Amino acid sequence: KNQVEQSPQSLIILEGKNCTLQCNYTVSPFSNLRWYKQDTGRGPVSLTIMTFSENTKSNGRYTATLDADTKQSSLHITASQLSDSASYICVVSHSGTYKYIFGTGTRLKVLA
Amino acid sequence: SAVISQKPSRDICQRGTSLTIQCQVDSQVTMMFWYRQQPGQSLTLIATANQGSEATYESGFVIDKFPISRPNLTFSTLTVSNMSPEDSSIYLCSVEDPRRDAGELFFGEGSRLTVL
Repeated sequence: KNQVEQSPQSLIILEGKNCTLQCNYTVSPFSNLRWYKQDTGRGPVSLTIMTFSENTKSNGRYTATLDADTKQSSLHITASQLSDSASYICVVSHSGTYKYIFGTGTRLKVLA
Repeated sequence: SAVISQKPSRDICQRGTSLTIQCQVDSQVTMMFWYRQQPGQSLTLIATANQGSEATYESGFVIDKFPISRPNLTFSTLTVSNMSPEDSSIYLCSVEDPRRDAGELFFGEGSRLTVL
């Protein structure tokens, strides 16, 4: 079954600290993997998109890694800010059906 | 990037009534997607709407409950019919922009629906 699992479910960190969010998937065949940030009451916004041939991709303080062999991805946030408080969703695209499979997200809270 | 406008942004409705959500995109797109996001949950695809053809519904969603229109390449509506409290969710419109890397997926701001 094609699934995307994220951990932790929620996370609280202090402003300025780093954190890493995990995404494990069983989607096959795999096309690409995306990380989205969803602020409360808003629609998801894309942070990174990686194909199977890419290992890492950065977007400012956000760095995503992908290991297609182990089917794992991580999103590393450096020097967290209060505005990083949001849900982070991992989305994997199934290349056979062209469907997007969404993880349940990690809720990040950054405290001052 | 594609800019998507959804309305209403939120509404409170009575049980048994219907509500139509509108989605306007600032560019022509082939496929538009409608998602539901229940409280504390991730996104679930309701249906895919192609211009000029009937929408394709995912398992668990039917046209009678969620009729969709797609009159042109920039607009779509989703109706939530005969609502019950279980329909209280955020409904999101999404498009895939083929001009961007890997057909990047863009989302509207969502329509938060509360059914009493």
